[in-house]
Amino acid sequence: ETGVTQTPRHLVMGMTNKKSLKCEQHLGHNAMYWYKQSAKKPLELMFVYNFKEQTENNSVPSRFSPECPNSSHLFLHLHTLQPEDSALYLCASSGDGQGNSPLHFGNGTRLTVT
Amino acid sequence: QKEVEQNSGPLSVPEGAIASLNCTYSDRVSQSFFWYRQYSGKSPELIMSIYSNGDKEDGRFTAQLNKASQYVSLLIRDSQPSDSATYLCAVYSSASKIIFGSGTRLSIRP
Repeated sequence: ETGVTQTPRHLVMGMTNKKSLKCEQHLGHNAMYWYKQSAKKPLELMFVYNFKEQTENNSVPSRFSPECPNSSHLFLHLHTLQPEDSALYLCASSGDGQGNSPLHFGNGTRLTVT
Repeated sequence: QKEVEQNSGPLSVPEGAIASLNCTYSDRVSQSFFWYRQYSGKSPELIMSIYSNGDKEDGRFTAQLNKASQYVSLLIRDSQPSDSATYLCAVYSSASKIIFGSGTRLSIRP
């Protein structure tokens, strides 16, 4: 399998649930990212990991908790979310976190919080 | 001022014509610029990267960069209905992160 794979594709969860989003990249990249895309808003950067180390936390609420066990895998743990957290969550990877290499996106997880 | 600005559209272009998409950015020291295409319900896919002033061509696509004017554009020649999508401009900022514009919706009419 190639590229960036995200699971699940769709997720519906209640505000008291705990769930996790998974991302795996097969591109040999060293940086991985979580972005949030809400309707009629630009893509919002949430977290950046470079060589497994978190290098960016863009003032994301603590109900979102990232985990990067190695350069190929990235998780986003979700707990006590709010309805306004409903959005498309996109994982991406790049060669490095320096910006010269473009992002490659997964297919995203469409999250609905009820 | 937004860090990366795009006209939201929709931009309607007849099939076979040239579609011109524009983007301005506020961070003067930005060095890397990207155009992504996003179909409805899908994730963004990279079309072009450009790093130096001037034009860069790839098939029907040409990216143009003018750092002095803080302006980057994407031209699509011989527009096809399959080009109908939202086009996202992205800039690597001095804060070491890639910032996206809100996108321009392009519609190619037959």
